[in-house]
Amino acid sequence: GAVVSQHPSWVICKSGTSVKIECRSLDFQATTMFWYRQFPKQSLMLMATSNEGSKATYEQGVEKDKFLINHASLTLSTLTVTSAHPEDSSFYICSASRIRVWSTEAFFGQGTRLTVV
Amino acid sequence: QKEVEQDPGPLSVPEGAIVSLNCTYSNSAFQYFMWYRQYSRKGPELLMYTYSSGNKEDGRFTAQVDKSSKYISLFIRDSQPSDSATYLCAMSEASGSARQLTFGSGTQLTVLP
Repeated sequence: GAVVSQHPSWVICKSGTSVKIECRSLDFQATTMFWYRQFPKQSLMLMATSNEGSKATYEQGVEKDKFLINHASLTLSTLTVTSAHPEDSSFYICSASRIRVWSTEAFFGQGTRLTVV
Repeated sequence: QKEVEQDPGPLSVPEGAIVSLNCTYSNSAFQYFMWYRQYSRKGPELLMYTYSSGNKEDGRFTAQVDKSSKYISLFIRDSQPSDSATYLCAMSEASGSARQLTFGSGTQLTVLP
């Protein structure tokens, strides 16, 4: 299957600092990537849709100035958590859609566990 | 009412059992249905992908979609301890090239050796 690589897999940062998470589609081009947040024992919550070459689309309630998304190429999207606070500690997951004639399949990265201390 | 309902479990079964996981949904526009497996602290892994109603089989896994009842299922035959994970159903509308998934809440499965 297609591979989506997410880095880092875990990070600990101090409150007030910024953290960048990378999401790469390794064997296909992704014009659209998605960023999710997942709390323990809960399902994935869509945060934003990242579009290559244009601004990201944020879900209601997600602060675009806090969660900066950049999709500079067809294989890379980044999520930067700015001025992180302990309440931002969570599991962040990206996905990329591989579009074929007969299907569109979403593949997920390994996830990034962010802990803000 | 959530768009996608999934029994959160937890579900425990003995090794070798047949497992049935289910989701119901309310949006009749959903046409693409997926099942993902998520191990603890990992990203979801795509298991099955189906379009519209019908059955699809892949090894020990069978996915069923009944659009008339707005009901999808994942069956796992001869379950193994390695199948212990959270299973998420997901679905999307046919909305062009950028499709967003609506997820169920996930069912936590434990297969006991």
